[in-house]
Amino acid sequence: AQSVTQPDIHITVSEGASLELRCNYSYGATPYLFWYVQSPGQGLQLLLKYFSGDTLVQGIKGFEAEFKRSQSSFNLRKPSVHWSDAAEYFCAVGAVGSGNKLVFGAGTILRVKS
Amino acid sequence: NAGVMQNPRHLVRRRGQEARLRCSPMKGHSHVYWYRQLPEEGLKFMVYLQKENIIDESGMPKERFSAEFPKEGPSILRIQQVVRGDSAAYFCASSPGLAGANEQFFGPGTRLTVL
Repeated sequence: AQSVTQPDIHITVSEGASLELRCNYSYGATPYLFWYVQSPGQGLQLLLKYFSGDTLVQGIKGFEAEFKRSQSSFNLRKPSVHWSDAAEYFCAVGAVGSGNKLVFGAGTILRVKS
Repeated sequence: NAGVMQNPRHLVRRRGQEARLRCSPMKGHSHVYWYRQLPEEGLKFMVYLQKENIIDESGMPKERFSAEFPKEGPSILRIQQVVRGDSAAYFCASSPGLAGANEQFFGPGTRLTVL
């Protein structure tokens, strides 16, 4: 069965600093990978997704993520964080043939210091 | 094109009452997913439906919970005889086809509070 681990529950960075949020997954085949962002009291917005091809994917709001098969990782990065990026970030894995459901990590709460 | 719509946004029920949560997928989407988010946890899959069919209900509790997606109208998640442990945010997502290849678009959620 698929699983997703986000090892950092909370991360605090200064505005303008770079950001990396970690995500490790467990799945027997090539997964479909997603990063979502959730602001307090809101739904989830897709930041980016990986299905195949180039392992470095670009998303919205200046985010990018790199799929590393050898490390079973899909870390999210941003070169310069803005105060409006403060939110909770979820990594998710999906796979055809498993009911097409998404399996989410527990999330990482990002705080941005001004 | 309106996004996924869920109502109500907030729902308060007393123990033993029934809760009905509604989800209207995006136009053109025929696949609906329900997820539950308990406080300070990630989302957990509950059920995957297509029109008039339950495709995967492996995440649904065995009792009191049911879901449907009729030919006409929204998808409904129904919780009978609610208990305090049902308090959570319930999110609906939709996709146009096989979600392995298509992203799921999420609604704003229904926050259920059981008193």
